[in-house]
Amino acid sequence: DAGITQSPRHKVTETGTPVTLRCHQTENHRYMYWYRQDPGHGLRLIHYSYGVKDTDKGEVSDGYSVSRSKTEDFLLTLESATSSQTSVYFCAITAGVGAGSPLHFGNGTRLTVT
Amino acid sequence: GENVEQHPSTLSVQEGDSAVIKCTYSDSASNYFPWYKQELGKGPQLIIDIRSNVGEKKDQRIAVTLNKTAKHFSLHITETQPEDSAVYFCAAEGAGGTSYGKLTFGQGTILTVHP
Repeated sequence: DAGITQSPRHKVTETGTPVTLRCHQTENHRYMYWYRQDPGHGLRLIHYSYGVKDTDKGEVSDGYSVSRSKTEDFLLTLESATSSQTSVYFCAITAGVGAGSPLHFGNGTRLTVT
Repeated sequence: GENVEQHPSTLSVQEGDSAVIKCTYSDSASNYFPWYKQELGKGPQLIIDIRSNVGEKKDQRIAVTLNKTAKHFSLHITETQPEDSAVYFCAAEGAGGTSYGKLTFGQGTILTVHP
C-alpha cells in the first residue's frame, strides 16, 4: 500500500455534531483528494488539494470543508453532520495530474451519522 | 463535466471463464483510463491503466481495450480465479476546464467468481 493512513477507520456520530477525518501520507505527494463511496454512485470527489493551503471543491462539496496546513496531512470536516453524509470516505494521493499519474487510495473511514 | 457509465453492475462467472466489464465516457478529450479493484474493507487499488495513444494493454490475465472513436473502454479478465472476486471500477481523467486532472469513476461492478 502507498503510505496513506486514514483516521479514524470507523466513527458513529449524531446529527448536528462536527466531525473531522484525517488523511496522512508519507509519500510527499503534492495532490490529495477526498472521495465518498455510496452504493450505486461509485466514488465521488468531495474536495481536493494541489498543495499546502491550496484546495478546491469537487462535485459533492456541500456540507464539507477541508484544510491542508502541511504536505502530509489533509483534513475533511463535516461542520454539522447529517444522515445523508453517512458513507465511506476515501483519501487518495498522486504525484501529478494531467499525465495519467496513478491515484493511490487509503483504506477508508466508515462514518455513520445517526 | 465528464460522465462515466459502467456495465454490468454485477457479474457472476465460473472459475476459469472470462469476465468483461465495459465503460463509456462523455468527454472526448479524456486521455487516461485506469481500472481499480476494491476488496472488502479496503480502498481501491490500481490494477491496470491505459492512455489514449494506445488501443490495448495486457498484464498477465488482465487486459484493457480502448476505442476512442466510440468513447468506450473495457476490462477483460481471463482464466478467472476466486480471488478475482471484488468490486471493479473504471475511471476517466478529465482533460480540460474544471475537470482537468480529475478522475470520474463508474458506478462499479461486483464480480463474483464461483469455484
